Amino acid sequence: GQQVMQIPQYQHVQEGEDFTTYCNSSTTLSNIQWYKQRPGGHPVFLIQLVKSGEVKKQKRLTFQFGEAKKNSSLHITATQTTDVGTYFCAGDEAAGNKLTFGGGTRVLVKP
Amino acid sequence: DGGITQSPKYLFRKEGQNVTLSCEQNLNHDAMYWYRQDPGQGLRLIYYSQIVNDFQKGDIAEGYSVSREKKESFPLTVTSAQKNPTAFYLCASSIELGSGANVLTFGAGSRLTVL
Repeated sequence: GQQVMQIPQYQHVQEGEDFTTYCNSSTTLSNIQWYKQRPGGHPVFLIQLVKSGEVKKQKRLTFQFGEAKKNSSLHITATQTTDVGTYFCAGDEAAGNKLTFGGGTRVLVKP
Repeated sequence: DGGITQSPKYLFRKEGQNVTLSCEQNLNHDAMYWYRQDPGQGLRLIYYSQIVNDFQKGDIAEGYSVSREKKESFPLTVTSAQKNPTAFYLCASSIELGSGANVLTFGAGSRLTVL
């Protein structure tokens, strides 16, 4: 079955630094979504990417969908303490099908 | 405010007991889902329902049961057959974007501990 892997599992970042987390699927995806879960909270939708090579930005967050639609990345610039949490990617092989989540990247920020 | 309400927030259960977790949404979403999250891990799909009176097994359905008698409600029963039920359970509903993909809105979750 479809598998979605995220690396790294943990990311310790100094406040103000940049970092990138990666998401890789074993199959070609119709679309990929990113969610953020704050400590003790529930996942909240951030963004969806649909087109091959698509790049979207949300303030300091840049999301990218690979050309082959099998991988994605999230780059955070000038990390802040508000960025703490776990970032999940989720994809499906066919639009409208059930999503498969990656294991998440847990981000810890050192002030 | 529209949203998803899960109850109870915390639940303790003795081994061998069935428990039912409630999930209610007033978003008028057609599809609803149950996910399980273990510490430090991702979300695994238990069951999902795309319309009333219909539901499908997800990746880890064994030991769980659901019903979908109303559009707003999708309760999950954790049965005694579930060998390792201690976990954080998340209910979600979805709306279809123009691209056809479903974006999930999650409830606050129910944390089940088996003693």
